[in-house]
Amino acid sequence: EIVLTQSPATLSLSPGERATLSCRASQSVSSYLAWYQQKPGQAPRLLIYDASNRATGIPARFSGSGSGTDFTLTISSLEPEDFAVYYCQQRIIWPPLTFGGGTKVEIK
Amino acid sequence: EVQLLESGGGLVQPGGSLRLSCAASGFTFINHAMSWVRQAPGKGLEWVSTISTSGSTTYYADSVKGRFTISRDNSNNTLYLQMNSLRAEDTAVYYCARWDFGFDPWGQGTLVTVSS
Repeated sequence: EIVLTQSPATLSLSPGERATLSCRASQSVSSYLAWYQQKPGQAPRLLIYDASNRATGIPARFSGSGSGTDFTLTISSLEPEDFAVYYCQQRIIWPPLTFGGGTKVEIK
Repeated sequence: EVQLLESGGGLVQPGGSLRLSCAASGFTFINHAMSWVRQAPGKGLEWVSTISTSGSTTYYADSVKGRFTISRDNSNNTLYLQMNSLRAEDTAVYYCARWDFGFDPWGQGTLVTVSS
């Protein structure tokens, strides 16, 4: 089973700042990594698939990069609606499909 | 508009059974694999099961294998999850999601509580 480790667990930033979230895989997942956003009381939403492709309707301030074992989700300038929990997820070797533990982006 | 609407959650005693449904609309259901993902209260996301477009191939997390069964009715655009021998640790919000390059979109979720 591929284990995904996200860091930091919590990121405290102000609106307008840049957010950089990390996801590290226990073995190579090539580019088969996705990112999701989840706001309180809501279902998750797909942001990025295959490491760097924005899903339909996702603003350009969200970008993904990386390959192999190290990946980054960057939010170039935080909007108030971006404060949420973010998860990464791999699909190269499954079952099981696995998620990271999440990074909470909170308002500083 | 693509929509997924889960139903069937509720309170059940340990050892009991429950069947979840997910009604899909706004897309060609038969063309997409479908999945269930759950989230225990205050915890992260856990993949539960995936079914192929035809329903002929299914995959399960080890934590539910042998107790849960995923199925689909392509004529009625509906996904199911039959959950048997439920345990306290199965308590979670269960989401259905379309599975392609990622889980997209997700339903709003249905809460399953296993407690005596």
